Amino acid sequence: QKEVEQDPGPLSVPEGAIVSLNCTYSNSAFQYFMWYRQYSRKGPELLMYTYSSGNKEDGRFTAQVDKSSKYISLFIRDSQPSDSATYLCAMSDDKIIFGKGTRLHILP
Amino acid sequence: KAGVTQTPRYLIKTRGQQVTLSCSPISGHRSVSWYQQTPGQGLQFLFEYFSETQRNKGNFPGRFSGRQFSNSRSEMNVSTLELGDSALYLCASSPAGQFYGYTFGSGTRLTVV
Repeated sequence: QKEVEQDPGPLSVPEGAIVSLNCTYSNSAFQYFMWYRQYSRKGPELLMYTYSSGNKEDGRFTAQVDKSSKYISLFIRDSQPSDSATYLCAMSDDKIIFGKGTRLHILP
Repeated sequence: KAGVTQTPRYLIKTRGQQVTLSCSPISGHRSVSWYQQTPGQGLQFLFEYFSETQRNKGNFPGRFSGRQFSNSRSEMNVSTLELGDSALYLCASSPAGQFYGYTFGSGTRLTVV
């Protein structure tokens, strides 16, 4: 079993829809949980991070962590075409381990 | 504030050659990590340097090596290149002891022919 599992997509949704992206993991030692966004020909950029379990909101983005289920989610409200990118979940103990990323397409 | 700078952006090398990639972290960041990104495997951790010392290492063969200088700039080297080494190599920097919130550079696209 891989440490971090993430559906690669692609995921296509109409503009304005709510997007749900998810990851599961196996290592219970992970403490920090992150979401990165990567545009084509660019490096990943940090969207949000959460320490331990709980929710965190930043504008249109909400991150949720359920450590009991080893499951994390990112919700994007009022999705825009500019949100079209690859979204990578990541988590860390003494190093950051990434999921393979989900390609998201927001259709105008 | 300048971001993480990686040079060169693109590189084409022949199988069997060696290559050196460079990374300049954000000013004040002392930790530099390197990742290999491929479509099949995603982002895979190569190694992390902190204050000129390798603090962590991923599961890559010894052909992959790195170092960090006193000004926190880092280089990674790949010797005896193989076709499978073709990838985007990403460098990320972070403040000391922070295992979240890495800032990535735009990467070096290495093609081995």
